[in-house]
Amino acid sequence: DTEVTQTPKHLVMGMTNKKSLKCEQHMGHRAMYWYKQKAKKPPELMFVYSYEKLSINESVPSRFSPECPNSSLLNLHLHALQPEDSALYLCASGKGANVLTFGAGSRLTVL
Amino acid sequence: AQTVTQSQPEMSVQEAETVTLSCTYDTSENNYYLFWYKQPPSRQMILVIRQEAYKQQNATENRFSVNFQKAAKSFSLKISDSQLGDTAMYFCARLRYSGSRLTFGEGTQLTVNP
Repeated sequence: DTEVTQTPKHLVMGMTNKKSLKCEQHMGHRAMYWYKQKAKKPPELMFVYSYEKLSINESVPSRFSPECPNSSLLNLHLHALQPEDSALYLCASGKGANVLTFGAGSRLTVL
Repeated sequence: AQTVTQSQPEMSVQEAETVTLSCTYDTSENNYYLFWYKQPPSRQMILVIRQEAYKQQNATENRFSVNFQKAAKSFSLKISDSQLGDTAMYFCARLRYSGSRLTFGEGTQLTVNP
């Protein structure tokens, strides 16, 4: 299995909703990442987990809450988002630090 | 700030022809990794090719090859025999040797025309 699987593919939520994005990999990678990508722009790093511990938080607002329940799963909990948070959210995993495998992303729309 | 620059926002090429995408970067380190990723309309970011800075030999993957000029901090991607499926946004990226932060360029939208 050489894939990173993200669910859901599309999510529409209101500003008062609570939702979660899920990411799963079975490649034995111990580093997992969340990126945010706006249209026609490069991905922006949000969080990095290394060996299930949060190692990097790029000053992301607290309305985004990451969670790494085990080495194969990465969640991003969403609460009280703003319309400007609408974007493509990409999950990635890596063995060591030198090659990342990306998922297909979750397209989030905040109304 | 250490940056990655892609000076061509858009490019087009005829099917079966060759195209070169440019990338320059800024770094104060001697060891690092460089990547080209493609992102087709399906949205998935796919690794095209990887280069380790301490290796002088240019990386090659089938129709894709790079021209790595370390002194000039240049890392261009050549696509030979372009195919319609090569249509995508291409991102150049740099990673510190011991780091976790990929620094991306702004991307080049490549269109392959039939």
